Amino acid sequence: EAGVTQFPSHSVIEKGQTVTLRCDPISGHDNLYWYRRVMGKEIKFLLHFVKESKQDESGMPNNRFLAERTGGTYSTLKVQPAELEDSGVYFCASNPRIRGGETQYFGPGTRLLVL
Amino acid sequence: GQNIDQPTEMTATEGAIVQINCTYQTSGFNGLFWYQQHAGEAPTFLSYNVLDGLEEKGRFSSFLSRSKGYSYLLLKELQMKDSASYLCAVEGYNKLIFGAGTRLAVHP
Repeated sequence: EAGVTQFPSHSVIEKGQTVTLRCDPISGHDNLYWYRRVMGKEIKFLLHFVKESKQDESGMPNNRFLAERTGGTYSTLKVQPAELEDSGVYFCASNPRIRGGETQYFGPGTRLLVL
Repeated sequence: GQNIDQPTEMTATEGAIVQINCTYQTSGFNGLFWYQQHAGEAPTFLSYNVLDGLEEKGRFSSFLSRSKGYSYLLLKELQMKDSASYLCAVEGYNKLIFGAGTRLAVHP
């Protein structure tokens, strides 16, 4: 079974540009999460999809970030326009259903550097 | 507020035992996870505790005390490949709240 995949693995852009990150969850997983780790800090929650619906987007930093999950399969996270403080590693995770203690399976992350 | 604390770095010798502690204060608790993360790779699931006590899985064990807001991960018979970051995470309201991670270096 394929794990969670993310694309691209690395992205270097200039301040003010737009970047779109993609996550393909494990097939059949209804729940998809985005997290971010900025330099030297802990991994922090951004948002949670159940199928195509946003269940919780309380961690989204501001309206420069837009997440979508059309059709309830893969998800994209767009940053527009990117700022220096957006640099970090963006992780995606998925699990089958909402239930306490359900393990979240993580992708390898996209390393974003904004110059 | 929400706070999860774990040591930043630890070192240990191959073949030894190491204990990585984690203390937490969070709103909402559906259990505590430990993940292992090698540099540049995805965090991978190690263990889950929701009830007080010890969960053993091969060389790795994890303990939880909910009343004390405390957990530890015990790694036995350390191997060089165990050099990695170990992440303590509490699940609350369907999202994970992470500590900053403990970087473990295993030396020959």
